[in-house]
Amino acid sequence: DAGVIQSPRHEVTEMGQEVTLRCKPISGHNSLFWYRQTMMRGLELLIYFNNNVPIDDSGMPEDRFSAKMPNASFSTLKIQPSEPRDSAVYFCASSLTTTGNSPLHFGNGTRLTVT
Amino acid sequence: AQSVTQLGSHVSVSEGALVLLRCNYSSSVPPYLFWYVQYPNQGLQLLLKYTTGATLVKGINGFEAEFKKSETSFHLTKPSAHMSDAAEYFCAVKPPARNQFYFGTGTSLTVIP
Repeated sequence: DAGVIQSPRHEVTEMGQEVTLRCKPISGHNSLFWYRQTMMRGLELLIYFNNNVPIDDSGMPEDRFSAKMPNASFSTLKIQPSEPRDSAVYFCASSLTTTGNSPLHFGNGTRLTVT
Repeated sequence: AQSVTQLGSHVSVSEGALVLLRCNYSSSVPPYLFWYVQYPNQGLQLLLKYTTGATLVKGINGFEAEFKKSETSFHLTKPSAHMSDAAEYFCAVKPPARNQFYFGTGTSLTVIP
């Protein structure tokens, strides 16, 4: 089991540029979550998917943020255009069931710096 | 509404001393409970979880936590701190009938040699 795989690990970009973060969940997991972590706001849920369908995107900060899950093994989080305040660590996590006691399994995150 | 409170954003203990990290939750029904650890530049890693059954749960790295329904608490303990325990610790709850996790704000543990 390779765990949740995120790429890239680090991303440095200039304000106004498009940024795409990628996630491969654990095989067989049917829920996928995107989180953002900053010193000021801690861990924030951005969006989550069940069976590739977005269920709750109320945490997506603005229309500049979008997320897709075209299949069970891949998801993207896109920021267009990026702003310095988007600088954070973005985590993807997956879990096995839609209800019940299955824990979240986190990737190692993507550290985004927008200058 | 669910909420998770971790008392003490920073905790320092001496090497070999008891570690106690506090977590209280508010929930109308007993939720599933989790503790995660985050080392620098890494993702969150599951330490242990409580679902049903025995209220004292043992996890990895010698940690354990006790679910106390009457106190709505799930405190994390370790009898003897090791330098490698220095990390950020997060408590999380999940309502049984919802696919939503609620995280505390985290406690940074420092171990003093």
